[in-house]
Amino acid sequence: SQKIEQNSEALNIQEGKTATLTCNYTNYSPAYLQWYRQDPGRGPVFLLLIRENEKEKRKERLKVTFDTTLKQSLFHITASQPADSATYLCALEVNNNNDMRFGAGTRLTVKP
Amino acid sequence: NAGVMQNPRHLVRRRGQEARLRCSPMKGHSHVYWYRQLPEEGLKFMVYLQKENIIDESGMPKERFSAEFPKEGPSILRIQQVVRGDSAAYFCASSPSMGTGIGYTFGSGTRLTVV
Repeated sequence: SQKIEQNSEALNIQEGKTATLTCNYTNYSPAYLQWYRQDPGRGPVFLLLIRENEKEKRKERLKVTFDTTLKQSLFHITASQPADSATYLCALEVNNNNDMRFGAGTRLTVKP
Repeated sequence: NAGVMQNPRHLVRRRGQEARLRCSPMKGHSHVYWYRQLPEEGLKFMVYLQKENIIDESGMPKERFSAEFPKEGPSILRIQQVVRGDSAAYFCASSPSMGTGIGYTFGSGTRLTVV
């Protein structure tokens, strides 16, 4: 069956450290993968997209990797801040038409 | 640009009533997606629509649920004869018609409570 799994429901780290979130998938062959941030009571907000032919993508303090052999994406936030505390969702493209399926998310808490 | 507008923000219905959730996509976006989210859970895909067409409804329950995106006006997600298990947050997202790999723009959601 098809699965999208994100590591542990919650991740707690100290301010200034690097947060690393994992997204693993099974029985999908996405042409690209996206990461979103969701705050309580709000809709998700698009952060980054990485295509299958890209190994790594960066945007400010964010870095995403995509390994199609391992079927895994890693999402890094460097120099984390309490304001980075949120739930982060990975999403895979399916059906070659911008149709996306989401993982359950990882709730990140950055402590001062 | 007002973004994706969903209304109502909160909706309370008694069991057996109908719920109608509305979504106006961003200006210029012709693709609409509906997702359902339970507390502490991820987004569950329901349906993907373009103007006047259903592209993918593989996530829609077979009964009581329907969706439309008419030529004019917002997209509507309709739930007939609601039951307690329908209580959830329903999110709508939109994307432009051109290009792939473009991130979705989400609305703030409609929180449905069935009492």
